Amino acid sequence: GQQVMQIPQYQHVQEGEDFTTYCNSSTTLSNIQWYKQRPGGHPVFLIQLVKSGEVKKQKRLTFQFGEAKKNSSLHITATQTTDVGTYFCAGRHNFNKFYFGSGTKLNVKP
Amino acid sequence: DTGVSQNPRHKITKRGQNVTFRCDPISEHNRLYWYRQTLGQGPEFLTYFQNEAQLEKSRLLSDRFSAERPKGSFSTLEIQRTEQGDSAMYLCASSLGGQPSTDTQYFGPGTRLTVL
Repeated sequence: GQQVMQIPQYQHVQEGEDFTTYCNSSTTLSNIQWYKQRPGGHPVFLIQLVKSGEVKKQKRLTFQFGEAKKNSSLHITATQTTDVGTYFCAGRHNFNKFYFGSGTKLNVKP
Repeated sequence: DTGVSQNPRHKITKRGQNVTFRCDPISEHNRLYWYRQTLGQGPEFLTYFQNEAQLEKSRLLSDRFSAERPKGSFSTLEIQRTEQGDSAMYLCASSLGGQPSTDTQYFGPGTRLTVL
């Protein structure tokens, strides 16, 4: 079926280290969105990628969409304690419903 | 504050009872989504509306679940004869719809359901 797989499930880093989470789909996505959810909070939209090979940056965050539009990644450079939370990708097929990955929980040690 | 509101924020009920949740989306948003999220998992799609039309419903949703958006504004999600497995956070999101560039989902704070 149509699913979006996300790895790793957990990531513990020392403050200042980099962090990357990956999403993969077995079928081509029309677009992919990334969300951040703080403990006890709700998902908050970060960014959307639509074009093949697209790369977008938000300060220390870099988002990539694969050439085949089947995978995506989120990379955080020099993590800070404020980056703590769970990061979800949400892939879409044919601009219909979104399929969320299971999330990567990031813990940053000061 | 994303502008999407959900009520109630918490609901505790006994198994077998019916519950109804409400979602008020951001005004002028055409699309409204319902998701269910359990601990350690990503939001799981339940259903979505384009204005008042329910366009898709997850096959995971049993007949005990029903959602409405009668006037294309607020939406309700009803669960009949609740079971302990229904315990979860129920999230609502809305988006402008239309072009992908305007289809950002804004989530509400969720309703946490506990079925005893």
